[in-house]
Amino acid sequence: DGGITQSPKYLFRKEGQNVTLSCEQNLNHDAMYWYRQDPGQGLRLIYYSQIVNDFQKGDIAEGYSVSREKKESFPLTVTSAQKNPTAFYLCASSFSAEAFFGQGTRLTVV
Amino acid sequence: GIQVEQSPPDLILQEGANSTLRCNFSDSVNNLQWFHQNPWGQLINLFYIPSGTKQNGRLSATTVATERYSLLYISSSQTTDSGVYFCAACYNQGGKLIFGQGTELSVKP
Repeated sequence: DGGITQSPKYLFRKEGQNVTLSCEQNLNHDAMYWYRQDPGQGLRLIYYSQIVNDFQKGDIAEGYSVSREKKESFPLTVTSAQKNPTAFYLCASSFSAEAFFGQGTRLTVV
Repeated sequence: GIQVEQSPPDLILQEGANSTLRCNFSDSVNNLQWFHQNPWGQLINLFYIPSGTKQNGRLSATTVATERYSLLYISSSQTTDSGVYFCAACYNQGGKLIFGQGTELSVKP
């Protein structure tokens, strides 16, 4: 099946630990994105990448890091520097401007 | 950067009613999309509509790019239409896709 796969669906981590969220796509899309959603809020852009080995900060990049070594993969690391990491994280990819989303990862930091 | 504003923020309808959701954006855009977020959080693509009008069943959308707004029409609403509707816009292909704050729709039986 073609699509965008995020894993895991639910993730629990202790405060102060780094955690990496996976996003893989087999749609051959060039652009990929990471968004954060807090309860009752819209989506805010963390990072995006238009091509392999290149990425740009979004509006809320502090405390996060990404890599884009392969076209299919765009992992997001939530570092201990992120003050309020508990949120719903959504990954997307796009081709010719239309974006498609994965099912999301709910991260809870305790 | 692009500003995207949606209205109304909340909407309660009786089943069978029609509704119009609005999305205003601050500059010329390359991409305008409408999404429905289901209760599990997944974003479902409704329309990719940088300009013109499209219809898909009971849903239709119109974007007037020169006046910087888009409208989503829901006719004969059903309880399964409940959820949050988002519009998102970007300036250029593969660039920043910016979301509005959403319209939360609740359809009562």
